[in-house]
Amino acid sequence: SAVISQKPSRDICQRGTSLTIQCQVDSQVTMMFWYRQQPGQSLTLIATANQGSEATYESGFVIDKFPISRPNLTFSTLTVSNMSPEDSSIYLCSVVEYSYNEQFFGPGTRLTVL
Amino acid sequence: QKEVEQNSGPLSVPEGAIASLNCTYSDRGSQSFFWYRQYSGKSPELIMFIYSNGDKEDGRFTAQLNKASQYVSLLIRDSQPSDSATYLCAVNKGGTYKYNFGTGTRLKVLA
Repeated sequence: SAVISQKPSRDICQRGTSLTIQCQVDSQVTMMFWYRQQPGQSLTLIATANQGSEATYESGFVIDKFPISRPNLTFSTLTVSNMSPEDSSIYLCSVVEYSYNEQFFGPGTRLTVL
Repeated sequence: QKEVEQNSGPLSVPEGAIASLNCTYSDRGSQSFFWYRQYSGKSPELIMFIYSNGDKEDGRFTAQLNKASQYVSLLIRDSQPSDSATYLCAVNKGGTYKYNFGTGTRLKVLA
């Protein structure tokens, strides 16, 4: 399967600031997704990152708060804007490779907002 | 009703026993089913997927799917302490790559 990396692996941020998380894949993939996993909870899909166009957001998530870019088939960024302590979570990117249906996850970014 | 339901556990089994993890789903149109293992502090790792009714075996793992009853299960034979983790069930409706995840079952294998 594709090798997925995320940067940063963790960060501690102040309220009101923004953080951009990067997801890099070592091969071209068809789909890229961004998830949030709050402490002790399951995975919640934030959005589908679309190559060359605006991301498709799930109910409860908006572009102003979570802008996403996907300039090519191997890279995507998620920005968490104007952060509050409620945004403290693990953020995960996942990918689907061409000719497959299975999602594979990156190592995640652990975000703490003070 | 949640779309994908799992018992949160913990499910405790002795080393060497069979661990049985269950998942039910509400959408009859669901077509693909996945089991992920997540160790504490790590990201989910895909361990099994199943698309057809019946059993699918891979090493110590067996996935079982019953679409008529809308459940999917994961059996882990000869359970090891290293199998202790949270197991997430994910369901895909088809026509999209999006998954619905259950809340996970925490498995503890006692040495």
